[in-house]
Amino acid sequence: DTAVSQTPKYLVTQMGNDKSIKCEQNLGHDTMYWYKQDSKKFLKIMFSYNNKELIINETVPNRFSPKSPDKAHLNLHINSLELGDSAVYFCASSQVGHSYEQYFGPGTRLTVT
Amino acid sequence: EDQVTQSPEALRLQEGESSSLNCSYTVSGLRGLFWYRQDPGKGPEFLFTLYSAGEEKEKERLKATLTKKESFLHITAPKPEDSATYLCAVQAGGSARQLTFGSGTQLTVLP
Repeated sequence: DTAVSQTPKYLVTQMGNDKSIKCEQNLGHDTMYWYKQDSKKFLKIMFSYNNKELIINETVPNRFSPKSPDKAHLNLHINSLELGDSAVYFCASSQVGHSYEQYFGPGTRLTVT
Repeated sequence: EDQVTQSPEALRLQEGESSSLNCSYTVSGLRGLFWYRQDPGKGPEFLFTLYSAGEEKEKERLKATLTKKESFLHITAPKPEDSATYLCAVQAGGSARQLTFGSGTQLTVLP
């Protein structure tokens, strides 16, 4: 059973389009995250979210928005895609008060042409 | 601002040749230091959490240690299947719970 899953695995789209990436976790965790990994392999936090609190990294453009239909899902919506948005996006989850380690999904490689 | 620096950027070892990876950090109130392994095309895989200076954790050929300024990942008698990028991350106190990652050490173990 996959603990944290993401769809799609690959996403190729044109500048200006709007796209979404879906994330689901079956670990029963209460907090989910989105990270961006650039071409130099640096992983940077974009959002952390639980049912009470959304924390946004101040460097993330407001074209990016997380949407959580329920505790097990955190989707990432991106409006007006730009070339610089090309990267691998990882979803992760953790349980507050339980070691705080985060478990990552397999990633979505986004290519903007 | 929390910072994590990993060295070396890349490391090539012969099978059986032990070595260590370094992770230096500055953080306001360390809640935890995490080691992850990342294989090409996959998400980071959790290895260890260390919470306080002096703590050590082991898993097969890997041993992680922590001081007040840095952490080491010791690899004893590595095998080719240990080849991967090893990532270090810190979590500061507070409500954000987010991880600040280093840029990783790409380890290649040659048979």
